Amino acid sequence: GQSLEQPSEVTAVEGAIVQINCTYQTSGFYGLSWYQQHDGGAPTFLSYNALDGLEETGRFSSFLSRSDSYGYLLLQELQMKDSASYFCAVLWAGSYQLTFGKGTKLSVIP
Amino acid sequence: DGGITQSPKYLFRKEGQNVTLSCEQNLNHDAMYWYRQDPGQGLRLIYYSQIVNDFQKGDIAEGYSVSREKKESFPLTVTSAQKNPTAFYLCASRGQGNIQYFGAGTRLSVL
Repeated sequence: GQSLEQPSEVTAVEGAIVQINCTYQTSGFYGLSWYQQHDGGAPTFLSYNALDGLEETGRFSSFLSRSDSYGYLLLQELQMKDSASYFCAVLWAGSYQLTFGKGTKLSVIP
Repeated sequence: DGGITQSPKYLFRKEGQNVTLSCEQNLNHDAMYWYRQDPGQGLRLIYYSQIVNDFQKGDIAEGYSVSREKKESFPLTVTSAQKNPTAFYLCASRGQGNIQYFGAGTRLSVL
């Protein structure tokens, strides 16, 4: 079956760096996406990896290794507003559906 | 401003009642999606539509129905057959780069 595993919660200090991992047991997908969702809000797109390697967008970077069935989201210079849930999602070939992980709740503390 | 508009923001369903959640987009996107989110959980796909007059079941379609008569609109009906409808419902459309854009959601509760 299709499944993505993420840690359920992570706590980090303001100004620090945090890495949120995503492992999966599936194949045949186009790429790995990351979305951010604040409490009660709508998910918003952060990053997408179609190929293995690192993608950088400002303070956020995302990495994919298909051979290791693994990806991660790296958040640098953490700010209080980064406190939110982060979801990895695989994009499926053909249907362009997204299958989401259960999300990682990040708490940034002073 | 372009975006996805969902209404209502909050909705209450009585036992045995069908309710319809609205989703409208002015992004000119062909593909649209409906997801259900339960507390502390990820998003699960209910239905999706890649083009007008066509739609496909997602992972949890039982107890739900949709229509796609216009490109801009993709309403979701939660039928009385859905025995556990309390959840946060999110509509999305797919744009360039396969990025999905989400509406603000509808929170459905049972009276």
